[in-house]
Amino acid sequence: EAGVTQFPSHSVIEKGQTVTLRCDPISGHDNLYWYRRVMGKEIKFLLHFVKESKQDESGMPNNRFLAERTGGTYSTLKVQPAELEDSGVYFCASSHRAGDRNEQFFGPGTRLTVL
Amino acid sequence: SQQGEEDPQALSIQEGENATMNCSYKTSINNLQWYRQNSGRGLVHLILIRSNEREKHSGRLRVTLDTSKKSSSLLITASRAADTASYFCATVLTDSWGKLQFGAGTQVVVTP
Repeated sequence: EAGVTQFPSHSVIEKGQTVTLRCDPISGHDNLYWYRRVMGKEIKFLLHFVKESKQDESGMPNNRFLAERTGGTYSTLKVQPAELEDSGVYFCASSHRAGDRNEQFFGPGTRLTVL
Repeated sequence: SQQGEEDPQALSIQEGENATMNCSYKTSINNLQWYRQNSGRGLVHLILIRSNEREKHSGRLRVTLDTSKKSSSLLITASRAADTASYFCATVLTDSWGKLQFGAGTQVVVTP
């Protein structure tokens, strides 16, 4: 069974540019989560999709971040325009069901560097 | 604010020794989970302990939970070089749809 995949693995862009990260969850997992870890800080929740709907986007830092999950399959996270403080590792995770028995399967992450 | 805080931040031990790390949190939880991250890889789920449980075992892993102290510990027995990784605790609050709130992690280095 294929795990969660993320693309690209690394991205280096200049401040002001746009970057789109992609996450492919495990097939059949309705729940998809985005997290990020900025340098030296803890991993923080960004948002949660249930199928194609945003269940919780309370962790999105500002309106420069846009997440989509059209069709309830893969998801994209766009940062536009990117700022220096957006640098970090962006993780995607999926789970079959949310709530109590919520083992989340994580992708390898996308390392984003904004220069 | 950070929900989980881990102690120690770093731990260096030799193969065969036990490694213990602790996690404290601030608010009531539904469950607490431990994850491992090897360098450059994604997080791997290790174990989940519910708020009404006090101890769980999985192979060489032992997790305890003390809800009165809002703390948890992860013990790795008979450590191996392959256990070298960062370990994170993450809490799930009630009615949070499974959103994980992570601690800063403990970096464990096991030397042969």
